[in-house]
Amino acid sequence: GQNIDQPTEMTATEGAIVQINCTYQTSGFNGLFWYQQHAGEAPTFLSYNVLDGLEEKGRFSSFLSRSKGYSYLLLKELQMKDSASYLCAVRLRDYGQNFVFGPGTRLSVLP
Amino acid sequence: DSGVTQTPKHLITATGQRVTLRCSPRSGDLSVYWYQQSLDQGLQFLIQYYNGEERAKGNILERFSAQQFPDLHSELNLSSLELGDSALYFCASSEPEYNEQFFGPGTRLTVL
Repeated sequence: GQNIDQPTEMTATEGAIVQINCTYQTSGFNGLFWYQQHAGEAPTFLSYNVLDGLEEKGRFSSFLSRSKGYSYLLLKELQMKDSASYLCAVRLRDYGQNFVFGPGTRLSVLP
Repeated sequence: DSGVTQTPKHLITATGQRVTLRCSPRSGDLSVYWYQQSLDQGLQFLIQYYNGEERAKGNILERFSAQQFPDLHSELNLSSLELGDSALYFCASSEPEYNEQFFGPGTRLTVL
């Protein structure tokens, strides 16, 4: 089976830094994705890691350790608009290049 | 705007009925994915098509079926609807290299 874990909820203050963790145990691995989803809206792509290490993209960074089955999303200089759910997803190395999504972490940014 | 379109935006129907959801992928994207997202669950992968052929199947019920047409648009058919089928249904598309997925705005299905 496939298993992806994330914290259910997190709270942080505007201007601060927050780290959202994701651990995975899957039958295959061909990349890890982070998506942002505001309530009632479609997910939007944030970042992608396939090799170990840190990928930086503006205020967002994502880290991957394949040996540990672990990733995190780092959000800097938090803004109120960053209040959303953050979804970790693994692309499996199978014929279908299937995607498995974690349950999501609901982040609340407080003033 | 992701470039992926879905119709209708909202759909209200009764138990036992059948509905069809439609998705048009971004120009040039050959892969189409269907997902279900209910209030208490995360995104559940249903099925993927690539250039008209079924490529992968996830947690899709036998009452549900999908197809991708030669113009690459896709339809998800849901039949014998139950209350528990009420959810947001997202379609996503990706480039042939299978990189990031671009999601449509979703169809909110309510089964009464």
